[in-house]
Amino acid sequence: GAGVSQSPSNKVTEKGKDVELRCDPISGHTALYWYRQRLGQGLEFLIYFQGNSAPDKSGLPSDRFSAERTGESVSTLTIQRTQQEDSAVYLCASSFGSTKNIQYFGAGTRLSVL
Amino acid sequence: TQLLEQSPQFLSIQEGENLTVYCNSSSVFSSLQWYRQEPGEGPVLLVTVVTGGEVKKLKRLTFQFGDARKDSSLHITAAQPGDTGLYLCAGARGTYKYIFGTGTRLKVLA
Repeated sequence: GAGVSQSPSNKVTEKGKDVELRCDPISGHTALYWYRQRLGQGLEFLIYFQGNSAPDKSGLPSDRFSAERTGESVSTLTIQRTQQEDSAVYLCASSFGSTKNIQYFGAGTRLSVL
Repeated sequence: TQLLEQSPQFLSIQEGENLTVYCNSSSVFSSLQWYRQEPGEGPVLLVTVVTGGEVKKLKRLTFQFGDARKDSSLHITAAQPGDTGLYLCAGARGTYKYIFGTGTRLKVLA
């Protein structure tokens, strides 16, 4: 597709379960970002990928959160043993690789932990 | 720690009114961006300002970057219902990292 695609669009899970969120960036974009957005709030930086490497994981809230990127394309954000405070919209963005370039955002995955 | 504070948090105005949204920080940014986000969608970039004191206009929207590159404002003239949304500022730290503001939720009533 032409834009950033995220799946699923909505995910409801029970506390303690693991979830995987997927991001398909725009083809050719070397940089990929994950953000978390709590209800009505701004975006919280989670992790940045340049190619398949993650030089900055400083925003990951705890060791329950991890992410990987393969083939300089698809990225997966995994949350283990989900907690209610993990409920949020998780947004993915891609760009050509620096803050001089436009970030294109997906529509996000809305995660609800019951 | 929230580095970028936006004000007001919420704004409800009548069509045709003017408004200004502020984005303030104690930190210096190499550039600053403004986004608009509609429900169920990701943010969409409106503008990037790079130079201290820079002013950019996009139709009825005027963006200004503070002289010290720590703050910015967005002014909308003659607001329309289509301007309704969440406005986010984002400051660039280094070559790749963005710090997003707390957001201003604007509602323009017809």
